[in-house]
Amino acid sequence: QKEVEQDPGPLSVPEGAIVSLNCTYSNSAFQYFMWYRQYSRKGPELLMYTYSSGNKEDGRFTAQVDKSSKYISLFIRDSQPSDSATYLCALHSGTYKYIFGTGTRLKVLA
Amino acid sequence: NAGVTQTPKFQVLKTGQSMTLQCAQDMNHNSMYWYRQDPGMGLRLIYYSASEGTTDKGEVPNGYNVSRLNKREFSLRLESAAPSQTSVYFCASTTDRSSGNTIYFGEGSWLTVV
Repeated sequence: QKEVEQDPGPLSVPEGAIVSLNCTYSNSAFQYFMWYRQYSRKGPELLMYTYSSGNKEDGRFTAQVDKSSKYISLFIRDSQPSDSATYLCALHSGTYKYIFGTGTRLKVLA
Repeated sequence: NAGVTQTPKFQVLKTGQSMTLQCAQDMNHNSMYWYRQDPGMGLRLIYYSASEGTTDKGEVPNGYNVSRLNKREFSLRLESAAPSQTSVYFCASTTDRSSGNTIYFGEGSWLTVV
C-alpha cells in the first residue's frame, strides 16, 4: 500500500467553481501536512502548511486535515484560470522524510 | 533572494556520459535534498544531507553520487548516465529536519539520456 494516495485527475472545472483536492495516507506518524502548487516546467511552490487536525484558511485556499480518517483536503474557492496547475500533497513526520502525492492536475476553464 | 537555484535547467546526455547537477540555497538552511520526479510516481528522494559534511541515501540512490560542498551547495553527479535516469530533478532545502519545517524547491533540471 502506498503511503499516500492522490487522484491524478485531470480535473476540469469552470472559472468560479469550488475545487476540492484530496489525499489519503496510511501512516499515523505524519504530523505536518502541506500542499504545493506546481506549474508546468516549474518547481513545486508551497501553498499551505498545517499541523494537526482542523482547517486553515489563506485567501481563497482552505486546507483541511482529518487525522482520525487520515484524510487531507485543499479547497479552492472562486477558482481562476491562473489556478490551473498540478497540486501535490505532502506529509512530514518531523524527520528527513517527506512523502509526496503524485499530484492532481487541475484545469480551470475561462 | 533567489531561494534554491539549480543548474543546468535542461541537459541532453548520451548513455555512459557523466554530468553534475549543481544546487545552491541562500536561505541558510541546514538540510538539502535531491529528488527526481517521474510521471505517475511523484517525487522520490535520491539523496539528502542533514547538515554540512553529511549525506545519506534516499529511496532511489543507485547510479548517483552527491557532495555537500558547504552549507549552501549540494551537487548531484551521474557517473555513467542511463536512459532510466531521464527525469526531472529537483533540489530542495529545509531549515531543520526535526521541527516539521516546510521544504522549498528549486526550479528543476530536465535531463534526457539518449
